[in-house]
Amino acid sequence: NAGVTQTPKFRVLKTGQSMTLLCAQDMNHEYMYWYRQDPGMGLRLIHYSVGEGTTAKGEVPDGYNVSRLKKQNFLLGLESAAPSQTSVYFCASRPLRAEGYTFGSGTRLTVV
Amino acid sequence: RKEVEQDPGPFNVPEGATVAFNCTYSNSASQSFFWYRQDCRKEPKLLMSVYSSGNEDGRFTAQLNRASQYISLLIRDSKLSDSATYLCVVNKDDKIIFGKGTRLHILP
Repeated sequence: NAGVTQTPKFRVLKTGQSMTLLCAQDMNHEYMYWYRQDPGMGLRLIHYSVGEGTTAKGEVPDGYNVSRLKKQNFLLGLESAAPSQTSVYFCASRPLRAEGYTFGSGTRLTVV
Repeated sequence: RKEVEQDPGPFNVPEGATVAFNCTYSNSASQSFFWYRQDCRKEPKLLMSVYSSGNEDGRFTAQLNRASQYISLLIRDSKLSDSATYLCVVNKDDKIIFGKGTRLHILP
């Protein structure tokens, strides 16, 4: 099993450009999450999904959109990237029973 | 009060020593609790779940005190490879909230 796979691993964007980060999990997990991690700020929840076709806002949702059209995929979109969105983005998933979460290896995004 | 609070450290501890981390959480309705480990520039990885009865995994012991809303992690006979950031994680309903982490440096 691959677990949780994030693509791309690295990306540099210019201000105003758009992009989509893909998270794919092959563990049949119901819940999926997108976090960003910045120095001194810890992991902050952007959006999450409790199942196919559902999404909800987290702590820092502004500037991001998400979609969960298939159970195994959770997409994070940046419509118009800003330098403040420079960060490391982590996707995570877990099954219905809250026994541990599996993380992807992260996407390092720089917006210049 | 922040939802999950941890001492950021760093804790500089000689190899072989015992070190303890604490974490407090604000929501008394929180349902499950975990410790995660994160190495530099890597993703967080589950270290252990935390239960009121306490649980032990080798050199690691975790404890939950619901009355005080307090979680602890004890590492005995620390190794150089234990150097990392330790994240306290609290779950309520659909959301998981991470503490900012405690940095641990094990000194040779």
